[in-house]
Amino acid sequence: KNQVEQSPQSLIILEGKNCTLQCNYTVSPFSNLRWYKQDTGRGPVSLTIMTFSENTKSNGRYTATLDADTKQSSLHITASQLSDSASYICVVSPFHTGNQFYFGTGTSLTVIP
Amino acid sequence: DTAVSQTPKYLVTQMGNDKSIKCEQNLGHDTMYWYKQDSKKFLKIMFSYNNKELIINETVPNRFSPKSPDKAHLNLHINSLELGDSAVYFCASSNLGSPQHFGDGTRLSIL
Repeated sequence: KNQVEQSPQSLIILEGKNCTLQCNYTVSPFSNLRWYKQDTGRGPVSLTIMTFSENTKSNGRYTATLDADTKQSSLHITASQLSDSASYICVVSPFHTGNQFYFGTGTSLTVIP
Repeated sequence: DTAVSQTPKYLVTQMGNDKSIKCEQNLGHDTMYWYKQDSKKFLKIMFSYNNKELIINETVPNRFSPKSPDKAHLNLHINSLELGDSAVYFCASSNLGSPQHFGDGTRLSIL
C-alpha cells in the first residue's frame, strides 16, 4: 500500500471556483511535506513545502495545510484559472533520511470555462 | 537558461537496444535524481546521486545504470530495453531539504 494517498483522483471545476485537494500519509516520523504542480508534458514544479511543525503555507492562490496529528494535508486553490489545470502531487520525506521521498498518486485537476 | 535540462525529449527505439538519456543542472545543487513516471502518472524514484555517490538505489533492474561524470550531470544508461521500460523519465536536482527542480522529461517508447 502506498504510504501517500491522494484524493480525489480527478476533479473538474468551473473557472473562478475554489477547490481542495487531499493528501493522507502514513510516513512517520516525517521531515517535510511538499505539493507539486505538474502541467501536461512538463516536469513537476514545487508549490509549497511544510515542515512537521508548520500547519499552513501559502503561495499566491495556493494554500497548503498540514495536520501532523491526523497525518493529513490539503491544497486549497482559490479563484481557479484555466492554467490551474494540471496534476497535483503530494510528496512526503521521512525524518532523518536526507533525500528519500514518498510520492502520492496525484490528483488531476481540470478547470473549464 | 533552463535549470534542469534533459536530452533527448523523445526517444523511440526497438526492444533489445541500448540507449542513454542525459541530464544537466546549472543550479549548483549537490544531489541529482532519476524518476520513472508510468502511464498512470505515478512518479517512482530510481536513483539519486549526492556528491558523485549513489545514496538511493530503488529496486530497479540492473539494466539501468546511472553515471555521473561531475556534480552537474547525471546520465541514465539503459541496456537491453524491454517493452515495460516505456515511460517518461524525469531528471531532478536539489540541495538537501530543498524542493527538487525537475526537467521536462524524456518520453521513451519501445517498439
